[in-house]
Amino acid sequence: NAGVMQNPRHLVRRRGQEARLRCSPMKGHSHVYWYRQLPEEGLKFMVYLQKENIIDESGMPKERFSAEFPKEGPSILRIQQVVRGDSAAYFCASSPGDEQFFGPGTRLTVL
Amino acid sequence: AQTVTQSQPEMSVQEAETVTLSCTYDTSESDYYLFWYKQPPSRQMILVIRQEAYKQQNATENRFSVNFQKAAKSFSLKISDSQLGDAAMYFCAYRSRDTDKLIFGTGTRLQVFP
Repeated sequence: NAGVMQNPRHLVRRRGQEARLRCSPMKGHSHVYWYRQLPEEGLKFMVYLQKENIIDESGMPKERFSAEFPKEGPSILRIQQVVRGDSAAYFCASSPGDEQFFGPGTRLTVL
Repeated sequence: AQTVTQSQPEMSVQEAETVTLSCTYDTSESDYYLFWYKQPPSRQMILVIRQEAYKQQNATENRFSVNFQKAAKSFSLKISDSQLGDAAMYFCAYRSRDTDKLIFGTGTRLQVFP
């Protein structure tokens, strides 16, 4: 059973561009979580999704950020009009309903 | 709101020795979960150990054990017989039984010297 997969592992964007981060959960997992880790900090919860539903988005910035987990395909975290402050590692975790298993993360660098 | 505090930004230990990493948390809930995650240089988050608040017995996983003091809201991690591969960032995390999101501390960087 492959682990949680995230791609790309590294993403470089210029200010104002869009960033799309993908997360494929472990087989059989219907819960997906996104976390952000700023340099030298712990992970901060962003959003929790189940298939086609956003369950908790209390950690998502109100503007420019969106997430989806469609019926088919990976979960997508989308950041529009990126700014330098969006530079961080973005981690996805999946769960069958209890323990969360983390992916390797995507490091986003905004130039 | 729940918070998790790790007051030791860095710790070091000699190989084969024992080290304890501290974690305190604040919550008004009585039922919750606590976790320790390891993040090596690869940045992969690896679950080390978990504790359910309603269980009085301290969790143990091989060389890793916790000292869970519910009244004091303390959840320290003890690593025995430290190995070079234990060098990493260690994060303490809290999860309410009612929600699924994890709340992390700021981490402790552990160095292991030969």
